[in-house]
Amino acid sequence: EPEVTQTPSHQVTQMGQEVILRCVPISNHLYFYWYRQILGQKVEFLVSFYNNEISEKSEIFDDQFSVERPDGSNFTLKIRSTKLEDSAMYFCASRGQGGNTEAFFGQGTRLTVV
Amino acid sequence: DAKTTQPNSMESNEEEPVHLPCNHSTISGTDYIHWYRQLPSQGPEYVIHGLTSNVNNRMASLAIAEDRKSSTLILHRATLRDAAVYYCIPLEGAQKLVFGQGTRLTINP
Repeated sequence: EPEVTQTPSHQVTQMGQEVILRCVPISNHLYFYWYRQILGQKVEFLVSFYNNEISEKSEIFDDQFSVERPDGSNFTLKIRSTKLEDSAMYFCASRGQGGNTEAFFGQGTRLTVV
Repeated sequence: DAKTTQPNSMESNEEEPVHLPCNHSTISGTDYIHWYRQLPSQGPEYVIHGLTSNVNNRMASLAIAEDRKSSTLILHRATLRDAAVYYCIPLEGAQKLVFGQGTRLTINP
């Protein structure tokens, strides 16, 4: 079965440092997403990416965040200057085209900002 | 985004059927009804989806009301591994999935 892979599984970083979270979506999918989940809270949408550009972003996705699909296979989320409140699980997802397609999620990266 | 209403929690016994309801009265005519679940410490996982007709797959069945304003996810014989938070999500085209609070399902041995 196809799967979305995320690395690392856990990242600890100092406040103010930059982090890059990596994802390998399913190869023939067209839509890519990042979500985050703060401990004990619901899964929140961050950003969607289609045709090599951001198609939608939430209020959470401010100037400190950026996404890239540098080589046609990886999909990355960068946080430029991490804050304590960025500590969360970050999930990558990908989908084919249309409402009739399921989304596949990675197992997540647990980001801890200290 | 269509609004959904699900019970906060439900409980069932192992090997018994479970019916998880969802109201989505503002669903548009072209929205598919998707169900996902999140097992403890894991990413969300696709369960099933449908448009108008009832659907079955190896994980579950989906019963969709005739007016499409509600649906029910059916786990035919719950196991301990089915303990998770279940989300119903109306979805159209390239839209993002929007997760609500979902239903936390507890399975008793």
